[in-house]
Amino acid sequence: AQTVTQSQPEMSVQEAETVTLSCTYDTSESDYYLFWYKQPPSRQMILVIRQEAYKQQNATENRFSVNFQKAAKSFSLKISDSQLGDAAMYFCAYRSPNTGNQFYFGTGTSLTVIP
Amino acid sequence: EAGVAQSPRYKIIEKRQSVAFWCNPISGHATLYWYQQILGQGPKLLIQFQNNGVVDDSQLPKDRFSAERLKGVDSTLKIQPAKLEDSAVYLCASSQGLYSSTDTQYFGPGTRLTVL
Repeated sequence: AQTVTQSQPEMSVQEAETVTLSCTYDTSESDYYLFWYKQPPSRQMILVIRQEAYKQQNATENRFSVNFQKAAKSFSLKISDSQLGDAAMYFCAYRSPNTGNQFYFGTGTSLTVIP
Repeated sequence: EAGVAQSPRYKIIEKRQSVAFWCNPISGHATLYWYQQILGQGPKLLIQFQNNGVVDDSQLPKDRFSAERLKGVDSTLKIQPAKLEDSAVYLCASSQGLYSSTDTQYFGPGTRLTVL
């Protein structure tokens, strides 16, 4: 099974600054999809950004962007101009089209935004 | 578009009791997932349905957990009997079920289960 590793259990950032959350994964597949999900305290998980492995261009969504390094199997999330509402658990996820579209999640990074 | 609905939002039971959770996915979504999320951890897949068929239930503790999606729409997850270690948030998610980059999981608010 694919494994997803988030090596930073906790991160903090000053409001308006930039922070990068790390994610690595282990796979032998060439075609797959990667996601970052955000889970605010006691609230439901929502999609932040997604990346197709066959695309070389890094995905961006407003203040959120990724650095996808396929050879290194790395998929980091950069949050620019951090806002108080960005405080949440962030989960990296891998979706395999070869195992019934199953998702594999990392253990999460808790992001604190300091006013 | 209505999101994924789950009920109840909170449940407290004593060990050895039974409990059931309900999930209604986004309309038209063929794939439905049940996850267990223990505090401080990422979601762990319990079972995945494609329409009313099971795609993967390899991590479902079948001696006590069961799930069904009889009509391929809403789903029920049951625990009988519950153990202390079942205390967690149970997340339901759905996706269109397409093998494409646009297929994304959408999550419900979860059910927080406490077993005393």
